[in-house]
Amino acid sequence: AAGVIQSPRHLIKEKRETATLKCYPIPRHDTVYWYQQGPGQDPQFLISFYEKMQSDKGSIPDRFSAQQFSDYHSELNMSSLELGDSALYFCASSLEGLRTGGTDTQYFGPGTRLTVL
Amino acid sequence: GQQLNQSPQSMFIQEGEDVSMNCTSSSIFNTWLWYKQDPGEGPVLLIALYKAGELTSNGRLTAQFGITRKDSFLNISASIPSDVGIYFCAGLRAGGTSYGKLTFGQGTILTVHP
Repeated sequence: AAGVIQSPRHLIKEKRETATLKCYPIPRHDTVYWYQQGPGQDPQFLISFYEKMQSDKGSIPDRFSAQQFSDYHSELNMSSLELGDSALYFCASSLEGLRTGGTDTQYFGPGTRLTVL
Repeated sequence: GQQLNQSPQSMFIQEGEDVSMNCTSSSIFNTWLWYKQDPGEGPVLLIALYKAGELTSNGRLTAQFGITRKDSFLNISASIPSDVGIYFCAGLRAGGTSYGKLTFGQGTILTVHP
């Protein structure tokens, strides 16, 4: 079965540079979520989108922005990168996440490992 | 904010032994999910629980959604070396301003000795 696709899988950037992470949800899934996982930590929710509209926002820095496109893929844009942004970034998708009150199961992608030097 | 307390933090067991881990919270969740994560990879869904009291099995895995909706446990029977990894519980609330926001436990690191 098709899974969530994330690209790139690895990304190395310098401080103050910009990065763009892409997420392609499971076909027919209409909701995407972004999570950040630091070393030895559990994933922390950043932001989510349903039908191309932002649906919830977590502890996402103002330097980060995201959007969901008409084909339901999503991009996380990160500017003025800091050393502390080094982490694994996961995208997850679900079907009708908002329509059923957010109880639908989230399936995670393989993640993008961002290293900021 | 909401927190999930997951225990134990780590387990070292022999192949063939049974394993049990649990998560508790001071908040009510409408959905409990259990994931397994290998180093550098994304969490893989093991079991999803949607109703209080629900007991669900997936092969050697069994999980239950607590009656109070504030806790859940995961059991693994007859462990094998490939069970090694980090197991996370995650809770999901519906409604309000928290649509779809998963709250994770701190994880249980499982090591299985052959």
